[in-house]
Amino acid sequence: KAGVTQTPRYLIKTRGQQVTLSCSPISGHRSVSWYQQTPGQGLQFLFEYFSETQRNKGNFPGRFSGRQFSNSRSEMNVSTLELGDSALYLCASSELAGGFTDTQYFGPGTRLTVL
Amino acid sequence: QKEVEQNSGPLSVPEGAIASLNCTYSDRGSQSFFWYRQYSGKSPELIMFIYSNGDKEDGRFTAQLNKASQYVSLLIRDSQPSDSATYLCAVKISSGSARQLTFGSGTQLTVLP
Repeated sequence: KAGVTQTPRYLIKTRGQQVTLSCSPISGHRSVSWYQQTPGQGLQFLFEYFSETQRNKGNFPGRFSGRQFSNSRSEMNVSTLELGDSALYLCASSELAGGFTDTQYFGPGTRLTVL
Repeated sequence: QKEVEQNSGPLSVPEGAIASLNCTYSDRGSQSFFWYRQYSGKSPELIMFIYSNGDKEDGRFTAQLNKASQYVSLLIRDSQPSDSATYLCAVKISSGSARQLTFGSGTQLTVLP
């Protein structure tokens, strides 16, 4: 099976702009989670989608949003970019959502730089 | 107190030695525990998971879980320079209907040839 794919891989934006990142999960996986990784804060959970519904949300401002489509592909959007949004954004997919043995597999990430 | 704590390292071991990576967690309701490896500039890749007390072995890797003491560890036997990476401990914490993965800050491991 093909792994999780994310596009674009690299992105440079300026403050105040908005950005949309895309994630295609492993075939058959219905849950998609998004994480932000920075050197100072580590891996932080943004949100999780299952069957087009947001099931869980981390502690991020409303500028961060996402959605999931009927084919399980997901997008996340960040509006009014700030310098502190520069990070590696990771998408992870899993077959189910919430089961304690459910395992997440990560995509390659999108490296966002905000100037 | 952080929910998942790891010694950030760096941890250096000689080639062929056993590397021991430790993780403690604060939520006693945590049900499952995952170890990921992340090479510099890459995304995390799953090594293994464990959810029962005791040891679980997979090749050169052994995960150990002690729920009473709230710690989980990863042993890497016969360490190789290619094992040099950051190792992330992740805990699936249950809070109502939310079962999200919470990650530690990672332990940087260097295996010296």
